[in-house]
Amino acid sequence: DTEVTQTPKHLVMGMTNKKSLKCEQHMGHRAMYWYKQKAKKPPELMFVYSYEKLSINESVPSRFSPECPNSSLLNLHLHALQPEDSALYLCASSLGVDQPQHFGDGTRLSIL
Amino acid sequence: AQSVTQPDIHITVSEGASLELRCNYSYGATPYLFWYVQSPGQGLQLLLKYFSGDTLVQGIKGFEAEFKRSQSSFNLRKPSVHWSDAAEYFCAVGASSFSSGGGADGLTFGKGTHLIIQP
Repeated sequence: DTEVTQTPKHLVMGMTNKKSLKCEQHMGHRAMYWYKQKAKKPPELMFVYSYEKLSINESVPSRFSPECPNSSLLNLHLHALQPEDSALYLCASSLGVDQPQHFGDGTRLSIL
Repeated sequence: AQSVTQPDIHITVSEGASLELRCNYSYGATPYLFWYVQSPGQGLQLLLKYFSGDTLVQGIKGFEAEFKRSQSSFNLRKPSVHWSDAAEYFCAVGASSFSSGGGADGLTFGKGTHLIIQP
């Protein structure tokens, strides 16, 4: 069982849709992360929220938009995605940026 | 920028045999080092971590790893593998990753080692 909960587990969407991925943790962690993982590849860091301050991987396209409503919740808003965006999206959290990260089971995203 | 190299893409080990997975890192200061395991369709589970202090660290599921600064290595070991250990193993280094936003750390992963257990 994971202490980081991601919903939905699977998502299929068209290129014109708008959807959101959600992540929640109740461990009191103050840093939360989004990673993208393609098949047979390692996770790649997309965004970091540390004490609700955002840091961005500048290679991530603007069709991905993170939001951190509070220290327990993290959303990833998706708009006008491309087929190459199909991947496993992993959320993680940690007590601080220098502490081990705990991962959710991910959202498997497929873009038609 | 930091980097992690896992030289073995696949490793096959017989059940009950010992295991060593290699990891080399490149980082200017003392890194935070981690080993994670991922089963198919799952997220990543932390096996162990090294921050400072004792260079031999113990983790879950009978795994251990040794930090060797002189070799820039953090190899993962297990004395006797079980069929349930078959999975993808990632070595990772934690450090400042982005120039924008300043100081926020993420993980940089190696490419992973796929562990196959033979009966």
